[in-house]
Amino acid sequence: QSVLTQPPSVSGTPGQRVTISCSGSNSNIGRNYVCWYRQLPGTAPKLLLYRNDQRPSGVPDRFSGSKSDTSGSLAISGLRSDDEADYYCAAWDDILASWVFGGGTKLTVL
Amino acid sequence: EVQLVESGGNFVQPGRSLRLSCEVSGFIFGDYGMHWVRRAPGKGLEWVSGISWDSNSKAYVDSVKGRFTISRDNAKNSLYLQMNSLRLDDTAVYFCAKDLSAAGTRGFDYWGQGTLVSVSS
Repeated sequence: QSVLTQPPSVSGTPGQRVTISCSGSNSNIGRNYVCWYRQLPGTAPKLLLYRNDQRPSGVPDRFSGSKSDTSGSLAISGLRSDDEADYYCAAWDDILASWVFGGGTKLTVL
Repeated sequence: EVQLVESGGNFVQPGRSLRLSCEVSGFIFGDYGMHWVRRAPGKGLEWVSGISWDSNSKAYVDSVKGRFTISRDNAKNSLYLQMNSLRLDDTAVYFCAKDLSAAGTRGFDYWGQGTLVSVSS
């Protein structure tokens, strides 16, 4: 069982907007930044967002993030078929003294 | 171009040891924290260990404490993971990842392609 909680799956149609939630606690998301990663089958994970809502160079503005108290959220607008992937949130946990990931959310584009 | 290339993965029996390596290029290795992250078959990502730029700070997930040791050689642009007393549940693809910060506390912005560790009797 993961320290951060994500829905196992979400789905949407092309062009739609979807959100993925990430629930934690005071020791992780409550005190530290949230990062979001995407992993396509058989490939390395890719950083989508850091510091809750910052996009690295090359990540389109269709991807946005937010944080409130002990929860983070990833929003993907203008959904495309190639957005189908596994999405993970992560944060540093002050009590565990380790990085913790969510269990991952599989996005399906219908 | 930033590149991280892992090596050292193999098929091993429980209780044996392996040493993973990650050779990097395209950035000043000694300026950044580094990590190992794994993904077991059918499961999600799990952070394994991290090390600060100067090796003064190291951290491990509880399940590998006392068995795994992370290290780095800034002169060789290389990160290592010594894995001892391997268990069946250590089976996974292991990724090395660069941190956004020197301390290793800001997130992982570049990843290698991974190396497979398979523990089986």
